[in-house]
Amino acid sequence: EVQLVESGGGLVKPGGSLRLSCAASGFTFSSYSMNWVRQAPGKGLEWVSSISSSSSYIYYADSVKGRFTISRDNAKNSLYLQMNSLRAEDTAVYYCARGIVGATGADYWGQGTLVTVSS
Amino acid sequence: NFMLTQPHSVSESPGKTVTISCTRSSGSIASNYVQWYQQRPGSAPTTVIYEDNQRPSGVPDRFSGSIDSSSNSASLTISGLKTEDEADYYCQSYDSSPWVFGGGTKLTVL
Repeated sequence: EVQLVESGGGLVKPGGSLRLSCAASGFTFSSYSMNWVRQAPGKGLEWVSSISSSSSYIYYADSVKGRFTISRDNAKNSLYLQMNSLRAEDTAVYYCARGIVGATGADYWGQGTLVTVSS
Repeated sequence: NFMLTQPHSVSESPGKTVTISCTRSSGSIASNYVQWYQQRPGSAPTTVIYEDNQRPSGVPDRFSGSIDSSSNSASLTISGLKTEDEADYYCQSYDSSPWVFGGGTKLTVL
């Protein structure tokens, strides 16, 4: 069974940093691209970042470029999102999602971790 | 870049059929696959359709997806509506800028 479990969310002050993790199990992690998608309170889904299976290709939304860094450790079956210079508008539930082979989208999602940026 | 436009809300009765549209603003809808995600209140999204019309294992065949080049839109059709289908539904596609989401459609089953 595919499982994606996010952790690392919490309350942080504007300008602060946070590192999110996503622990994957139930599939060959190193064979799949991985993604972060967020959802601000009461709002729709927003794509944040994607990383290919071998980390060769990395993409960011314009809203986080230069502040967030996606990475993965295939030996540990883990995905990460380093978030720096956080802003109030980064407040959201952050979801880890497995990429679809042959398409750009997700087939499995984690339960999410809440990040709140507030003073 | 392009946008995906969905109706804000739709409603239908149990047992009926509902179709949710997703219109691409520029570029061909057929150029890139469309995915559909269901998000029940208080829960994470789940994938109900990928690659325009493919159902992940475990998704009932009451859910189907299609694309229409003439209207440059994708559609999610749910037949035999159940109260458990009440949720927000998001379409998603891509081009050179990965992952574009529609604004979401709230489906009410009443």
